[in-house]
Formats: sequence, structure tokens, C-alpha cells
Amino acid sequence: DTEVTQTPKHLVMGMTNKKSLKCEQHMGHRAMYWYKQKAKKPPELMFVYSYEKLSINESVPSRFSPECPNSSLLNLHLHALQPEDSALYLCASSQTGVGINQPQHFGDGTRLSIL
Amino acid sequence: GQNIDQPTEMTATEGAIVQINCTYQTSGFNGLFWYQQHAGEAPTFLSYNVLDGLEEKGRFSSFLSRSKGYSYLLLKELQMKDSASYLCAVRDNYGQNFVFGPGTRLSVLP
Repeated sequence: DTEVTQTPKHLVMGMTNKKSLKCEQHMGHRAMYWYKQKAKKPPELMFVYSYEKLSINESVPSRFSPECPNSSLLNLHLHALQPEDSALYLCASSQTGVGINQPQHFGDGTRLSIL
Repeated sequence: GQNIDQPTEMTATEGAIVQINCTYQTSGFNGLFWYQQHAGEAPTFLSYNVLDGLEEKGRFSSFLSRSKGYSYLLLKELQMKDSASYLCAVRDNYGQNFVFGPGTRLSVLP
């Protein structure tokens, strides 16, 4: 079990559906991340939230919409996705601040399939 | 720009020692981290270096040379369960961005 909890573990959706991925951590971390990972590839950064504010958006299409309601929760809202968006979506959290050399803690991920 | 390089695949024998290299050129540096990822699972943290030198944690050790932009992960007494992908990641100066290398898929054979 990881300290970062992601739900659902698996999601199958059509291209016209709207769904949300959820992530929760209670380690007091103030940085939270969304990554996309395709098979046999490294995690690819999508968004970073620092103190509940979006600090990095790696040119992600608008069909992905992140939200950070509070310091423990991170959502990723999905709408009108494409088949190439099928991947493992990983949430991570870490302490933040220069000089803090703490690793990211990853959730188990949501495996997303777009039909 | 950010560029991190690792060998794509490596093979080793159970009980042996293997060294996985990572070279990096990044716009900032605030630590280098090694993660293990089994297929279909989340990455798990193994080791990190922020100063030059060797860090040892049981069967795993990691080395860093900042002047050379180089790190390696050393795995001793290999076990079959060590078959996985090994990812190095560099944390930038602002501390918010972790840039991952392409990963090295290690196969441990009996």
C-alpha cells in the first residue's frame, strides 16, 4: 500500500464522456503532481501544484483539467479524450522548497482506456 | 533544456552485481533520485544524492559526480525480484520539477 491513494484504479471511458481521477495524501506534502505514463516509457510530467496553486503546466491539452481543492486532494478532470490518451496516470506528492531533498511519493496510478 | 540518458536495457545473473549509469544535463540541480518500477506498478523510491559521493542503503548504492553530470545505481547480490525498470530523476533548482530519464529495464536471469 502506498501513502498516496488514487481512485479509480481502472477506468474505461468513451471519447464523449466526462470523468475525474482523484488523488489523496495525508503526509502534509504541499507539492502534488500528475504524470502520464505510456508502456515502457518514463513518467511524463503534466501538472504541478505547489501550495494548492498550479505552478507548472507542461503544455497539456485542455481536455485535461486539474484541480486542487485543498492541500490533501488533487483531481484530474477528463473530457473528450482521444484514444492516444490511454495510459497510466500517476499522482505523486512531495515536500517543497529549495534545499528539501525529499523524494516524490507515488500512488498506484489509474489505468485509463479510451474507447 | 533538460536531457537525461540511461541505457535502455541490461541483463545480469542472480547473485551478481550490476551498475546502471545515468548522465544528465539540466538547467538546474537540486538532487538526483533513483526509483524502481515493476511493470504495471508505481515507481518506488530507492536512493538519492545531492552531494558528490556514494550513498549506501543495503543492497543498493548510488553515486553522484555533479561536475561530470553523472550518477550510477549499484545493485549487489541480485535477486530475481530486482527485475524491473530503474529510473533516475533530477530535481531542478526550484524544487518543484522532477525530470525523469528514459529508464533502464533490468532483467535478472537465474
